[in-house]
Amino acid sequence: GAVVSQHPSWVICKSGTSVKIECRSLDFQATTMFWYRQFPKQSLMLMATSNEGSKATYEQGVEKDKFLINHASLTLSTLTVTSAHPEDSSFYICSARAADSYNEQFFGPGTRLTVL
Amino acid sequence: SQKIEQNSEALNIQEGKTATLTCNYTNYSPAYLQWYRQDPGRGPVFLLLIRENEKEKRKERLKVTFDTTLKQSLFHITASQPADSATYLCALDSTGGGADGLTFGKGTHLIIQP
Repeated sequence: GAVVSQHPSWVICKSGTSVKIECRSLDFQATTMFWYRQFPKQSLMLMATSNEGSKATYEQGVEKDKFLINHASLTLSTLTVTSAHPEDSSFYICSARAADSYNEQFFGPGTRLTVL
Repeated sequence: SQKIEQNSEALNIQEGKTATLTCNYTNYSPAYLQWYRQDPGRGPVFLLLIRENEKEKRKERLKVTFDTTLKQSLFHITASQPADSATYLCALDSTGGGADGLTFGKGTHLIIQP
């Protein structure tokens, strides 16, 4: 149980285009989902916290107008990178916390974004 | 904000020996601390969680200790195997309240040599 999927697993896009990444909890309801970003040889950095039905909370330094997060249901959160640029190329990972869990987070497999 | 230090250099251990990884943190005491395994190009996989009022936690060949006085956690893999080779990440709750996103260390790359 507690499986989180992400789609796509990798994406290559041109500079200036927008890319949507989906995060799904497959066998549990996730009231809270988190989005992280990881650059090569670096730690995972929390970008934002997403609660179902409400606006996401962004970490300092993360542009909310560039990284649009929607958590429309208890099993799906999406991250849209708008007007992507090469510096946005990174490994994006989501995690989900179950409604009945205080602090256990389950991570997705990640999405590799490459912006040309 | 929380700062986490892990030995980012690769740790080479001979198969069968015990591997010990260190995680040190500064600032506030977290409500809990977690250890994850990450393989190249993959998301983190949860291993163990230890709460602030626990000294030690075990799971099969894994053992985690948590010393809030030293602000340190040790992660042990006993009877190590080549399949244990991976990057191991230490993570804390970001604000100490226990209900938020995680702050991760850079991880320690563990290599188990046959």
